Amino acid sequence: AQSVTQPDIHITVSEGASLELRCNYSYGATPYLFWYVQSPGQGLQLLLKYFSGDTLVQGIKGFEAEFKRSQSSFNLRKPSVHWSDAAEYFCAVGAGAGKSTFGDGTTLTVKP
Amino acid sequence: DAGITQSPRYKITETGRQVTLMCHQTWSHSYMFWYRQDLGHGLRLIYYSAAADITDKGEVPDGYVVSRSKTENFPLTLESATRSQTSVYFCASSESQGQGRGYTFGSGTRLTVV
Repeated sequence: AQSVTQPDIHITVSEGASLELRCNYSYGATPYLFWYVQSPGQGLQLLLKYFSGDTLVQGIKGFEAEFKRSQSSFNLRKPSVHWSDAAEYFCAVGAGAGKSTFGDGTTLTVKP
Repeated sequence: DAGITQSPRYKITETGRQVTLMCHQTWSHSYMFWYRQDLGHGLRLIYYSAAADITDKGEVPDGYVVSRSKTENFPLTLESATRSQTSVYFCASSESQGQGRGYTFGSGTRLTVV
């Protein structure tokens, strides 16, 4: 069965600083991998996705993620964080029948 | 507006009552999903549907019923609500090649069972 681990429950960064959110997955085949963002009181929005090809994928809002098969990781990065990036971030792995399994999320706080 | 709509946004119900959460999407996406979000548990899949009249259980289906007579609607019914079903419920949809497209989520329904 597939699983996703987001080791950091909560991360605080200063505005303008770089960001990296960690995601480790377990899946038997080549995974579909996703990052979503959830603002308070809202549903989740897809930031980016990976299945094949270039292991560095670009997403919306200036985010990117790198797939590393050898480490079973799909970490999300942003070079310079803005206050509006404060939200909860979810990593997910796509499974059969279109189902995805989600990590428990990482809450990002941005200090002024 | 096109999109995925959940109703109601907020619901308070009493233990033992039946309650139905509605989900409507306008894209004719094949796949639809119901997740619940609880603190410390992330999102857990309740039920999903690959097409009209095709539904299957997810990780936490007990106490829930779904139907999908039309592609665009995927209601979730709590047959006899319990306090443990207090949660935020999200409906999501995905295109036919669901694995590669990711989901589009509704805004959620916050359900409180008292």
